[in-house]
Amino acid sequence: DAGVTQSPTHLIKTRGQQVTLRCSPKSGHDTVSWYQQALGQGPQFIFQYYEEEERQRGNFPDRFSGHQFPNYSSELNVNALLLGDSALYLCASSLTPGRAPYEQYFGPGTRLTVT
Amino acid sequence: DQQVKQNSPSLSVQEGRISILNCDYTNSMFDYFLWYKKYPAEGPTFLISISSIKDKNEDGRFTVFLNKSAKHLSLHIVPSQPGDSAVYFCAASADSWGKLQFGAGTQVVVTP
Repeated sequence: DAGVTQSPTHLIKTRGQQVTLRCSPKSGHDTVSWYQQALGQGPQFIFQYYEEEERQRGNFPDRFSGHQFPNYSSELNVNALLLGDSALYLCASSLTPGRAPYEQYFGPGTRLTVT
Repeated sequence: DQQVKQNSPSLSVQEGRISILNCDYTNSMFDYFLWYKKYPAEGPTFLISISSIKDKNEDGRFTVFLNKSAKHLSLHIVPSQPGDSAVYFCAASADSWGKLQFGAGTQVVVTP
């Protein structure tokens, strides 16, 4: 049973560029959430996708956008990269919202470095 | 606004002894709590969870206690093993959509 997968593993970008990160959820899961984890901090919620729509959003600017595809996989896009966007980006998948259990399962993350 | 707080950044414990990790929260709307373990270069791994309608949940060596009046939860690991050395995150959710708010984590080191 494949868990959550993310690509790429590492990425180096220059300030002002745009980046796309990808995520495939755990088998049987249809909801994908994205988190940003800065060094020494816990993950911070960016947004959540269900039925190809953004359902919830954290306190992140519009430079952060996403997409969910019919096969439940998802992309995170960040435009106009800032040095402060350097972080580990985590994708988590879960069952349909409102359906227990509510645990989210995380992928290994994409380490983004902005220079 | 940090609504989930783990005030101990690190914990050192001897193999075989009990590890107790603490977590405090401020949002009374939180109704589901989770603990995750994270090794370097890996994503967080789900450990154990508890609903606000319970005050204790046990799974093998891991037990989570919830004190709603104090807005406090704790994770007990008994007995601690070297493989338990990792960063442990407390997380909370206020709705069934599952948006999680995390604490800053506690680094646990289990020594032989």
